[in-house]
Amino acid sequence: DIVMTQTPLSSPVTLGQPASISCRSSQSLVHSDGNTYLSWLQQRPGQPPRLLIYQISNRFSGVPDRFSGSGAGTDFTLKISRVEAEDVGVYYCMQVTQFPYTVGQGTKLEIK
Amino acid sequence: EVQVVESGGGLAQPGGSLRLSCAASAFSLENAYMSWVRQAPGKGLEWLGRLTSKSAGRTTDYPPPVRGRFTISRDDSKNSLFLQMNSLRAEDTAVYYCTASYRAAGGFDIWGQGTMVTVSS
Repeated sequence: DIVMTQTPLSSPVTLGQPASISCRSSQSLVHSDGNTYLSWLQQRPGQPPRLLIYQISNRFSGVPDRFSGSGAGTDFTLKISRVEAEDVGVYYCMQVTQFPYTVGQGTKLEIK
Repeated sequence: EVQVVESGGGLAQPGGSLRLSCAASAFSLENAYMSWVRQAPGKGLEWLGRLTSKSAGRTTDYPPPVRGRFTISRDDSKNSLFLQMNSLRAEDTAVYYCTASYRAAGGFDIWGQGTMVTVSS
């Protein structure tokens, strides 16, 4: 199985400041079709997960442009340019390149 | 607005069975790749399996921990997805989410609110 490792596991951030979450996979996430199926999910407290980013850097409909994704191969990053109060929650990276699909442990974003 | 709503959760005995349902609205399940994902209390997300779209052959795939115990199926006439869970164990206690990859290739863009399953005697 592909292991997804996120760092940090907890990230206290000041409102208005940037935040960055790293996700590393134990194997390349490049699919045989040439795409890289790495996505980022946000889970606010008491809510179901929500898709933010898919295929490394594609922002899903309705997601604010302060969220961006980057990376390639086995190293990926989610960046929030200016953290807002509504961004509090847990962020997960997920790969659907290879079965079984696997998810990172989650990174808890909290406000200082 | 596209959405899915799960139902069927509750208390089950160890070794027992439970069938979860997921009703879709504003889109056809047969055109989406559907998955079930669960979240144990205070824990992260765990993928439980998927059912591909009609055009992709309606194939299923499961991770080893649930293969042979869990089965995903779909009733296109009711636009509903199901998760049949057998031989339940205490560690199956979790919130179960129905999710769809419909508008974002490789991204799970539709999530239900989840249904809680508790396995206990």
